Amino acid sequence: EVQLVESGGGLVQPGGSLRLSCTASGFTLSGNYMTWVRQAPGKGLEWVSLIYSGGSTYYADSVKGRFTISRDTSKNTLYLQMDDLRVEDTAVYYCARDKRYYSLWGQGTLVTVSS
Amino acid sequence: DSQMTQSPSSLSASVGDRVTIACRASQNVNTQLNWYQQKSGKAPNLLIYGASSLQSDVPSRFSGSGSGTDFTLTISSLQPDDFATYYCQQSSSVPYTFGQGTRLEMK
Repeated sequence: EVQLVESGGGLVQPGGSLRLSCTASGFTLSGNYMTWVRQAPGKGLEWVSLIYSGGSTYYADSVKGRFTISRDTSKNTLYLQMDDLRVEDTAVYYCARDKRYYSLWGQGTLVTVSS
Repeated sequence: DSQMTQSPSSLSASVGDRVTIACRASQNVNTQLNWYQQKSGKAPNLLIYGASSLQSDVPSRFSGSGSGTDFTLTISSLQPDDFATYYCQQSSSVPYTFGQGTRLEMK
């Protein structure tokens, strides 16, 4: 079955770090563009980051310099390293396949930044 | 960055109604415009990509149109399963921004 499963969310204090994982099954990450999208509680969708199949990366201004997208092709897993977390980073984080439009999404993982 | 503005923000309608949701981009996105449906607690579901291409397995009552800066999503005859929140997204230039969403409620 083709699917994405996120993990790694949780409660973290402001200024802390967290690494999210997104494990793919049924297809290989290396041949695909992958994206992170987040949704704050009760709010809309926010595009966060993109990694090209060739490895180029892009970020929303709101996370640039604090978040890092990467992948481990041997584990078929996408990552989002989140440093210097802020209260406003609290959200459900989704990984999604493809560059421009997303036909495959994970179930999401909740990140809560609070003291 | 291209800002995406949807209207209305919320909409009340009845089963069988024809519903139209608008999305306006702050700059030309050509036809790089996508529509998603999201139900509470679930991941979004792709409905339309490239402004007017229907994603596989999406009912034909959904359609999209537009180019440049103005786009519409139309549901020709509203069904009970269609009450949800709808988002447009531009994929012309990074960051691939989303609209703020349109909540479609039962009248």
